[in-house]
Amino acid sequence: KQEVTQIPAALSVPEGENLVLNCSFTDSAIYNLQWFRQDPGKGLTSLLLIQSSQREQTSGRLNASLDKSSGRSTLYIAASQPGDSATYLCAADFMDSNYQLIWGAGTKLIIKP
Amino acid sequence: GAVVSQHPSWVICKSGTSVKIECRSLDFQATTMFWYRQFPKQSLMLMATSNEGSKATYEQGVEKDKFLINHASLTLSTLTVTSAHPEDSSFYICSARDPRSNQETQYFGPGTRLLVL
Repeated sequence: KQEVTQIPAALSVPEGENLVLNCSFTDSAIYNLQWFRQDPGKGLTSLLLIQSSQREQTSGRLNASLDKSSGRSTLYIAASQPGDSATYLCAADFMDSNYQLIWGAGTKLIIKP
Repeated sequence: GAVVSQHPSWVICKSGTSVKIECRSLDFQATTMFWYRQFPKQSLMLMATSNEGSKATYEQGVEKDKFLINHASLTLSTLTVTSAHPEDSSFYICSARDPRSNQETQYFGPGTRLLVL
């Protein structure tokens, strides 16, 4: 069974710290892996998309890496700000998933001022 | 946990036909559902916010007459791609907000792949 796991489920850090969110997946045969941000009461915001052939993607203070061999992806947030507080989700597009995205349960991030 | 289903999981149709995609919240009533679209090798993009009993709110650049959204009940929202063309081929995913959760957690459907020939 293909699964995506995010640990921890929640994380609270002081403002200004660098932090890493983890995402693991059970099958290395993926087309891509995505990181999303979810704000309470709002829709989903796509952050970074990493294709299977890529090792990392960067957008501003965010950097996402992909290691298919170990089945892991990380989202690195530099110089965290209170506005970064949200739930972060990763989703994998497995090659053998019957055309479905497999989602992690998310990590709720709180940045304390 | 809460479950959101989508039907069909994939569909192939001819150009000019209309395709309906269903999004259901299976164990909770969702007053708000979201529809997203993802083109190959691109990130997910929010298309519209579907509110039960009222008109959907469309994001800029999304044609409301082409992508008809009906949220007729608290457990079902439908997205109809009218007069589909090959450029509409994409991955469509919905999410539903669970009002029972203090954080109004959203749960996501597995997605529907549409291929228009």
